[in-house]
Amino acid sequence: AQKITQTQPGMFVQEKEAVTLDCTYDTSDQSYGLFWYKQPSSGEMIFLIYQGSYDEQNATEGRYSLNFQKARKSANLVISASQLGDSAMYFCAMRGSGGSNYKLTFGKGTLLTVNP
Amino acid sequence: DSGVTQTPKHLITATGQRVTLRCSPRSGDLSVYWYQQSLDQGLQFLIQYYNGEERAKGNILERFSAQQFPDLHSELNLSSLELGDSALYFCASSVRATSYNEQFFGPGTRLTVL
Repeated sequence: AQKITQTQPGMFVQEKEAVTLDCTYDTSDQSYGLFWYKQPSSGEMIFLIYQGSYDEQNATEGRYSLNFQKARKSANLVISASQLGDSAMYFCAMRGSGGSNYKLTFGKGTLLTVNP
Repeated sequence: DSGVTQTPKHLITATGQRVTLRCSPRSGDLSVYWYQQSLDQGLQFLIQYYNGEERAKGNILERFSAQQFPDLHSELNLSSLELGDSALYFCASSVRATSYNEQFFGPGTRLTVL
């Protein structure tokens, strides 16, 4: 079974500062993928970034980067130069490999508030 | 805009009723996933279809069923509705069943059972 843990129910950050959202995972799969999604108050789920378990470099997408530490089973999201529009719920998710394990397992999320 | 469409956006109904939620995947995507987001359970995977066939099943109640049609759109049927079925239902799509690095979500259908 796969499990995602997000230990920060809420985080605050000042505009223009960087923030790290924590995510740890547990899986017995050798191959897996890790995702981060943003859910603003409007409700839609916005894909941010993906990291494969065999990717040697940390994924980056614009102001988002994923700090992947395989031995620690962590996949923290780093948002640089926070903007007011970054205020939202952030979910870490993973998918397994093989068989039918392409579903995503989600953490409980972290509510990020960016202060002006 | 993810390219995944869901209708209706909002649905209000009464206990015991049956509703159908509809999803159209991104153009070219063969796989459709349904998720339920509720306050107490969080985001949970319900069911996956790939090119018309059921591929994986999650925490889907027996009162719920889904199908994917030849044009690849999918419908989630919820019957004998209970108050606890009130939730945000998402559809997501990906290119193929083994698409590793993307799963794009639709805007969701917010179901309220009164």
